Amino acid sequence: AQKITQTQPGMFVQEKEAVTLDCTYDTSDQSYGLFWYKQPSSGEMIFLIYQGSYDEQNATEGRYSLNFQKARKSANLVISASQLGDSAMYFCATNAGNNRKLIWGLGTSLAVNP
Amino acid sequence: SAVISQKPSRDICQRGTSLTIQCQVDSQVTMMFWYRQQPGQSLTLIATANQGSEATYESGFVIDKFPISRPNLTFSTLTVSNMSPEDSSIYLCSVGTAPSGANVLTFGAGSRLTVL
Repeated sequence: AQKITQTQPGMFVQEKEAVTLDCTYDTSDQSYGLFWYKQPSSGEMIFLIYQGSYDEQNATEGRYSLNFQKARKSANLVISASQLGDSAMYFCATNAGNNRKLIWGLGTSLAVNP
Repeated sequence: SAVISQKPSRDICQRGTSLTIQCQVDSQVTMMFWYRQQPGQSLTLIATANQGSEATYESGFVIDKFPISRPNLTFSTLTVSNMSPEDSSIYLCSVGTAPSGANVLTFGAGSRLTVL
């Protein structure tokens, strides 16, 4: 069965520093996607970045980059130059599996300190 | 990407009552998805709402408890029936978009329900 593991329940980072949020996945599929979403305290889910399993380059979107290590089955999110507004829950997800529905991790709570 | 309006944004409900959550999308979409997020938990898919047919429910969710309507390609409702405190959650609707071939979900702002 497909599974997403986020081992960091909570993380702290100083403003303007970079932070890495860990995500490992378990699937036997050859074709799959990996997603990161941000959930501020307001509750909305905001799409951040996507990585396809066949993409050779690591995905980047502004200050977000995805450190994709296929052999290790990891898809860590790197946030550069952290801002106070980055304080939120971050969820990793995959659409691996026959039905292509998203499988979600439990999330990591990030707090950015001024 | 699609813009989704969801309401109510939050509500406090009494045990045994029902509440209907509305989801409006600014473009026509084939499938809309309803998720539940219990306190401190990740997202769980409740059902997929298809226009012109009955919703497809995930294991553990039934139509009597979570009836869904999908009258057209831009609108859906989810009703939480006969609520109990265990139904206190954030309920989110979402639609899929496909930039670069990926089925990225866009979410509404969520409806935070507290059942007393």
